[in-house]
Amino acid sequence: ETGVTQTPRHLVMGMTNKKSLKCEQHLGHNAMYWYKQSAKKPLELMFVYNFKEQTENNSVPSRFSPECPNSSHLFLHLHTLQPEDSALYLCASSQDRLAGTEQFFGPGTRLTVL
Amino acid sequence: SQKIEQNSEALNIQEGKTATLTCNYTNYSPAYLQWYRQDPGRGPVFLLLIRENEKEKRKERLKVTFDTTLKQSLFHITASQPADSATYLCASRTGGFKTIFGAGTRLFVKA
Repeated sequence: ETGVTQTPRHLVMGMTNKKSLKCEQHLGHNAMYWYKQSAKKPLELMFVYNFKEQTENNSVPSRFSPECPNSSHLFLHLHTLQPEDSALYLCASSQDRLAGTEQFFGPGTRLTVL
Repeated sequence: SQKIEQNSEALNIQEGKTATLTCNYTNYSPAYLQWYRQDPGRGPVFLLLIRENEKEKRKERLKVTFDTTLKQSLFHITASQPADSATYLCASRTGGFKTIFGAGTRLFVKA
């Protein structure tokens, strides 16, 4: 596989469920990002990891918990979500955080919280 | 707060015409601006980057301009085709090394 992959592509969960989103990049990049995209709103940066270390937490509620075990993999653990958390969750990577010029995005996970 | 604004109304143009999309930024001076294309149900794809000391950048049928006086970037697609129909996002990096995005402008090119 090439580029940035995300699984699952679609996820429906209840407010009491726990689930995880997975992202993998095959580009040899050192920075990885989680974004939230709601309808007709700009992409909202959630978390940034650079060389496996979290460098940004953009005031994200604790019901979202990121994990970056290595530079190629990024997870977003979800628990007790709210209906307003329904959105497209996008993972991206770039060479590193400071260069950060071009970001490569995955196809996203469409999340619906019932 | 630092912000990027794009025209939220969809742009409808006829095939063969030039599409022009606008990106305005406020409360900061970006070192560069980027343009991405996003198709429905997919992640954004990088198209072009223009730096603050560059007035214009071209790539095939695409042209981007950067006017630091107007605090604006224009994105042009010449000889537009129905396959160019998509949402186009403007983005830039703030002083805090965060990339911020505009909400995007939806482009429809009619055959």
